[in-house]
Amino acid sequence: TQLLEQSPQFLSIQEGENLTVYCNSSSVFSSLQWYRQEPGEGPVLLVTVVTGGEVKKLKRLTFQFGDARKDSSLHITAAQPGDTGLYLCAGDERARQLTFGSGTQLTVLP
Amino acid sequence: KAGVTQTPRYLIKTRGQQVTLSCSPISGHRSVSWYQQTPGQGLQFLFEYFSETQRNKGNFPGRFSGRQFSNSRSEMNVSTLELGDSALYLCASKRTGQVGEKLFFGSGTQLSVL
Repeated sequence: TQLLEQSPQFLSIQEGENLTVYCNSSSVFSSLQWYRQEPGEGPVLLVTVVTGGEVKKLKRLTFQFGDARKDSSLHITAAQPGDTGLYLCAGDERARQLTFGSGTQLTVLP
Repeated sequence: KAGVTQTPRYLIKTRGQQVTLSCSPISGHRSVSWYQQTPGQGLQFLFEYFSETQRNKGNFPGRFSGRQFSNSRSEMNVSTLELGDSALYLCASKRTGQVGEKLFFGSGTQLSVL
């Protein structure tokens, strides 16, 4: 059983569309990180959210941490082919290591 | 500053063999973690080393082991390989041992067990 559930698992959209990816858990996290992984590479950190209700923006990407710090979302505006990749959320539950979600594979078609 | 380096990039082994994977962290980083990534299970934590000591271990059988050297370089060993061990093995380093600190990942070693 995954501690962190991500949805959808797969997403294929046209260039210019908007999309939202979700990361949900029954556990409370001290912080939550979002990574993007491209084929043949390791994950790269995009953002860390710490405070409940926090919203962070990274160009066309908007990250939100739930008020109760149990869930998070990633919204991409006007997706581009360069956004294609595996998006992973990872939670810090004051455990001794990060717990990763199963990921959302995003494909943006030109 | 050089990133995290993993060698080899690709490896093909047969069942029953053993394999050793290597990871060189970013200079100055003392923590090295290992993850197994498969399409069905996502990233599963194997273990973390900090200053040559294993600090934390995931839920993997004893066939999976690791070590860290005084220069922070780390190796992971899998003995008596099984078909289910086929996966991308990722190494990640961070400067200190804090859990929420940013992880820097290598490109991984793709292991295929035939």
